[in-house]
Amino acid sequence: SQKIEQNSEALNIQEGKTATLTCNYTNYSPAYLQWYRQDPGRGPVFLLLIRENEKEKRKERLKVTFDTTLKQSLFHITASQPADSATYLCALDGIRAGKSTFGDGTTLTVKP
Amino acid sequence: NAGVTQTPKFQVLKTGQSMTLQCAQDMNHEYMSWYRQDPGMGLRLIHYSVGAGITDQGEVPNGYNVSRSTTEDFPLRLLSAAPSQTSVYFCASRDRGGPSTDTQYFGPGTRLTVL
Repeated sequence: SQKIEQNSEALNIQEGKTATLTCNYTNYSPAYLQWYRQDPGRGPVFLLLIRENEKEKRKERLKVTFDTTLKQSLFHITASQPADSATYLCALDGIRAGKSTFGDGTTLTVKP
Repeated sequence: NAGVTQTPKFQVLKTGQSMTLQCAQDMNHEYMSWYRQDPGMGLRLIHYSVGAGITDQGEVPNGYNVSRSTTEDFPLRLLSAAPSQTSVYFCASRDRGGPSTDTQYFGPGTRLTVL
């Protein structure tokens, strides 16, 4: 069955450092992969999308890579700030639109 | 635009009761989905729709019904509530076509407790 794993439930880093979050998947051939941010008590907020034929995508301090051979995506936040503290979710979508599969998320805490 | 709205925000039910969670979007999106999120976990897809009159099951559809009579509305019905359905429910919508087609917008969620 399809499985999505995000590295460790929690990640703690110091302000100014780069946070790297991992999303691994098995038994899946996604057409694209998305990253979301979720704050406590709120709905997820879309951050970035990367397609299967793209290696890397950037948006301000965020960078996503997608390796379909390794079946892995890495999500980087550079120059991290305490305001970046949140849970980050990865989601995979197949060819059949509208049907996303989410990982359990990684909770990032950035300490001042 | 209000985006994706959900009502109610909180709900407590007794086992066996039925209810409908409401979801509406004003962005004219074709795709809409319902997810549930249990504590410390990601979102699991319950049902989704790719347009008015078209619905399909997701990963955990048992105990839930949906219909899509209009583009704007996508209600989720709990037929006979069970304690296992205690969760936070999120509705989401997504456009089809265009450069921002794959951005999925989520509502604020409905927190449901079944006693």
